[in-house]
Amino acid sequence: QKEVEQNSGPLSVPEGAIASLNCTYSDRVSQSFFWYRQYSGKSPELIMSIYSNGDKEDGRFTAQLNKASQYVSLLIRDSQPSDSATYLCAVPGDSNYQLIWGAGTKLIIKP
Amino acid sequence: DGGITQSPKYLFRKEGQNVTLSCEQNLNHDAMYWYRQDPGQGLRLIYYSQIVNDFQKGDIAEGYSVSREKKESFPLTVTSAQKNPTAFYLCASSRAQETQYFGPGTRLLVL
Repeated sequence: QKEVEQNSGPLSVPEGAIASLNCTYSDRVSQSFFWYRQYSGKSPELIMSIYSNGDKEDGRFTAQLNKASQYVSLLIRDSQPSDSATYLCAVPGDSNYQLIWGAGTKLIIKP
Repeated sequence: DGGITQSPKYLFRKEGQNVTLSCEQNLNHDAMYWYRQDPGQGLRLIYYSQIVNDFQKGDIAEGYSVSREKKESFPLTVTSAQKNPTAFYLCASSRAQETQYFGPGTRLLVL
């Protein structure tokens, strides 16, 4: 059974700083990775997907994948109070259609 | 607009009662999913369906039932056998090995 682990937090970051969120996974053959953001009381929404080693940037967000070490991270530059949310990491399961979810890291951006 | 709708937003269940949560998508996705989320917890898979008239149990299927008679629809019934149904229920859809997109969720409460 694949596993995905995240630090539950809360992770507190000052406004304008870089927030760094980490996710480790147990399966070496995973090919794709997803970061979702979930505001309190709302449903998850996709922030980024990453499929190959290295960095992928989208605006203030950068996903970093290291398959050898089996971790994927999400960096948020110039953090804003609106970034305060729970961030979920997911990797494909044994089936082509399933995702295995981490429990999420709660991020708090302090003004 | 393409998307996923869930209804109702809030649902109250009396003891011994079966209740049905609706999920509809117009994204032409083959796969649909039901997740349960408890406060401060990650997503747990209840059932998923890859094609019409076929579905598979997830990690916590006991006390729940589903049907997939149409590609667009994947209703979830919470039966009286589910003794602790209070949770946030999320429906999602996807193409194979691709991003899952979520509906707004249904919050189920027990009277």
